[in-house]
Amino acid sequence: DTEVTQTPKHLVMGMTNKKSLKCEQHMGHRAMYWYKQKAKKPPELMFVYSYEKLSINESVPSRFSPECPNSSLLNLHLHALQPEDSALYLCASSQVPRGHTDTQYFGPGTRLTVL
Amino acid sequence: EDQVTQSPEALRLQEGESSSLNCSYTVSGLRGLFWYRQDPGKGPEFLFTLYSAGEEKEKERLKATLTKKESFLHITAPKPEDSATYLCAVRYSGGGADGLTFGKGTHLIIQP
Repeated sequence: DTEVTQTPKHLVMGMTNKKSLKCEQHMGHRAMYWYKQKAKKPPELMFVYSYEKLSINESVPSRFSPECPNSSLLNLHLHALQPEDSALYLCASSQVPRGHTDTQYFGPGTRLTVL
Repeated sequence: EDQVTQSPEALRLQEGESSSLNCSYTVSGLRGLFWYRQDPGKGPEFLFTLYSAGEEKEKERLKATLTKKESFLHITAPKPEDSATYLCAVRYSGGGADGLTFGKGTHLIIQP
């Protein structure tokens, strides 16, 4: 089973709203990731949780805040977003972050629209 | 300068017409090269992982190969359902945060 689930599938929010994206995996993986994908562009890494330790892409603005309640759950909290943040947000997980079992499996994504 | 370059950007083939997609990389200390397939509006679907030059992997009509500078995804006798964007990604030492660095993808269309 290589399933990563994400909710919601679609989200529309205003610039003053606070919302959260959720990601879950039941594969016993120890690393989870958030990527952002704009239309017709490749995914770009935002955050990595590896063995409950957070690594951040320093170009990601502070209006995005990740949270890892446990090793199978990953949330992305959104606050005061801008229209340019509209994108497909992808969650992925891997058994380990490095080594020969580091293949990342992606969820279906959340399509976010910021008005 | 892009670290991962995919070519061609787009490719249109007739059903049954075999071809190859290219992924070249300039990173040092490659730790893995990954191929994904992505349908519009969906998450990338894993296809192959390659770790060493000379390695080959096969799955149905697809075969991935790796050299020290590039990887090829060979598609044999494709069908319309193979139409998708194919993404190549690398993980490398110095890449930071264990994430993947993606190429821009090849948009493949298979016409019946």
